[in-house]
Amino acid sequence: NAGVTQTPKFRILKIGQSMTLQCTQDMNHNYMYWYRQDPGMGLKLIYYSVGAGITDKGEVPNGYNVSRSTTEDFPLRLELAAPSQTSVYFCASRLGPVADTQYFGPGTRLTVL
Amino acid sequence: GEDVEQSLFLSVREGDSSVINCTYTDSSSTYLYWYKQEPGAGLQLLTYIFSNMDMKQDQRLTVLLNKKDKHLSLRIADTQTGDSAIYFCAESWDTDKLIFGTGTRLQVFP
Repeated sequence: NAGVTQTPKFRILKIGQSMTLQCTQDMNHNYMYWYRQDPGMGLKLIYYSVGAGITDKGEVPNGYNVSRSTTEDFPLRLELAAPSQTSVYFCASRLGPVADTQYFGPGTRLTVL
Repeated sequence: GEDVEQSLFLSVREGDSSVINCTYTDSSSTYLYWYKQEPGAGLQLLTYIFSNMDMKQDQRLTVLLNKKDKHLSLRIADTQTGDSAIYFCAESWDTDKLIFGTGTRLQVFP
């Protein structure tokens, strides 16, 4: 199993551009999450999904959108990039509501100039 | 509201024990976790504890939970240079979501 994969690893955007951060897991996990990690800070939950077709907002959803059309994929969309969205983005998944099955992807470092 | 606080830095000598502390505010938390993040990598779950437990030991790791004071600690015995990383505690009262602390950077020196 590849686990949780994220693409791209790095990206630089100009203000107002849009992009999609990809996240895929091959473990047949129901739960998937998007977090952002700002320098020197913990993780903030952006959006999460408890299964295909179901998504919910986390702590900091403004400026982002998600979809979950399949179990494997949970893309994160930035429509109008702003400098405040400069961060490292982590995708995570877990089989069910038990902590010891949660896995994180390697992260995407995004800079908005 | 939920808030998880940690001290920012901890520096220890190789072979000593490290104790990383965390305080949380939501008394209805059901699970509390410790994660490790190495440079340039995602988070790795180290261990977790149910809120009805006081202690959990797993090899070199000991987790202590004081529910009355809402205090969680992670003790690493015989700390090694490979333990240098950022350690995050997290709480969950809703099993769908985790709330993370700001992280403690552990530096181990020879």
